[in-house]
Amino acid sequence: SQQGEEDPQALSIQEGENATMNCSYKTSINNLQWYRQNSGRGLVHLILIRSNEREKHSGRLRVTLDTSKKSSSLLITASRAADTASYFCATDGNNNDMRFGAGTRLTVKP
Amino acid sequence: DADVTQTPRNRITKTGKRIMLECSQTKGHDRMYWYRQDPGLGLRLIYYSFDVKDINKGEISDGYSVSRQAQAKFSLSLESAIPNQTALYFCATSDGSGSPETQYFGPGTRLLVL
Repeated sequence: SQQGEEDPQALSIQEGENATMNCSYKTSINNLQWYRQNSGRGLVHLILIRSNEREKHSGRLRVTLDTSKKSSSLLITASRAADTASYFCATDGNNNDMRFGAGTRLTVKP
Repeated sequence: DADVTQTPRNRITKTGKRIMLECSQTKGHDRMYWYRQDPGLGLRLIYYSFDVKDINKGEISDGYSVSRQAQAKFSLSLESAIPNQTALYFCATSDGSGSPETQYFGPGTRLLVL
């Protein structure tokens, strides 16, 4: 079963706009991570937020975490065509494994 | 050079065939993982290993087996491939030291079972 669920499933925006993707999960977590996947390639780790953190920044990325709602959001500001990819959230589960959502496919049009 | 490599990158096989997917890493990590990715389902854990000779089942281990003969290598086998094992397979590693754990992924192996 999936732990994280992203929405929307697909998002299409114009270059320069902001993109917001959301992730919801079901059980308590220690950490939540966001990954990016370019078409046909491996996943790249973007950012990690701990359960006692509410917001974290990395360059044009901003991640928020609301443990009361069991949700997280990833904001990409001033998007670029090169940001086109799929984005996944992952939560740590039992036995130190991680659970991934189905991902949000982001398309940034030039 | 890539830290986590997978071979082959693409594979087409027939139902009933045995195949092996290889994963190698130069990161010196103890922990290695195999995931499969299906459209609309995200990544699901097949098997993982925290050390040489240590093997643990993940969410969907049925129909798969693994071998961890060396720290740097973790192989995934499909003993008798079936069409619903058509998927993108990812290997990942981590150093697993405390928490949090970041996993480093290979480029993936695209498998088609006819």
